[in-house]
Amino acid sequence: AQTVTQSQPEMSVQEAETVTLSCTYDTSESDYYLFWYKQPPSRQMILVIRQEAYKQQNATENRFSVNFQKAAKSFSLKISDSQLGDAAMYFCAYGRDKLIFGTGTRLQVFP
Amino acid sequence: DTGVSQDPRHKITKRGQNVTFRCDPISEHNRLYWYRQTLGQGPEFLTYFQNEAQLEKSRLLSDRFSAERPKGSFSTLEIQRTEQGDSAMYLCASSGWADSNQPQHFGDGTRLSIL
Repeated sequence: AQTVTQSQPEMSVQEAETVTLSCTYDTSESDYYLFWYKQPPSRQMILVIRQEAYKQQNATENRFSVNFQKAAKSFSLKISDSQLGDAAMYFCAYGRDKLIFGTGTRLQVFP
Repeated sequence: DTGVSQDPRHKITKRGQNVTFRCDPISEHNRLYWYRQTLGQGPEFLTYFQNEAQLEKSRLLSDRFSAERPKGSFSTLEIQRTEQGDSAMYLCASSGWADSNQPQHFGDGTRLSIL
């Protein structure tokens, strides 16, 4: 079965500091995509970053980067120089067509 | 590009009633997805379309649920004989697809509350 596990229900970080959110997944497929989505309170889901499984190079988007370990089926998100606007639920997701989501990590950012 | 639009934003209904939600995808996107999200959980896949063809349905989509995308543009999700357990946020997403899958863009969702 394809599953996505986010073991950290909540995380907190001080503004301007760095935080890493963890994600592991289980699949027997070799070609797939991994995603991190951000969902602010009462607002829509926004794509943060995407990784193609066939690419060994870790994806980066400005302050957001991933550590993709395919053999370990691990896909963590690092947020550098955290900002107050980064506070949200973060969902890790796996898939090619339909997406399978984890249960999310609530990130709090303190000034 | 106006984004994915969902209507209504909120729906409150009595148990046993039928409800219908609408999703308008980003205009050039040929794929449309429906997900359900309950409190404290990540979204769960329900079904998706490529143009007007429904390509996959989750086991979560019981026979009380039906989704359509008749002209390959907007889609509707209907729930018949609603039950308490249907209370959730229903999310729609759309994406383009050519040789590879493009990221899904989500709408604001329709929050369904069953009294």
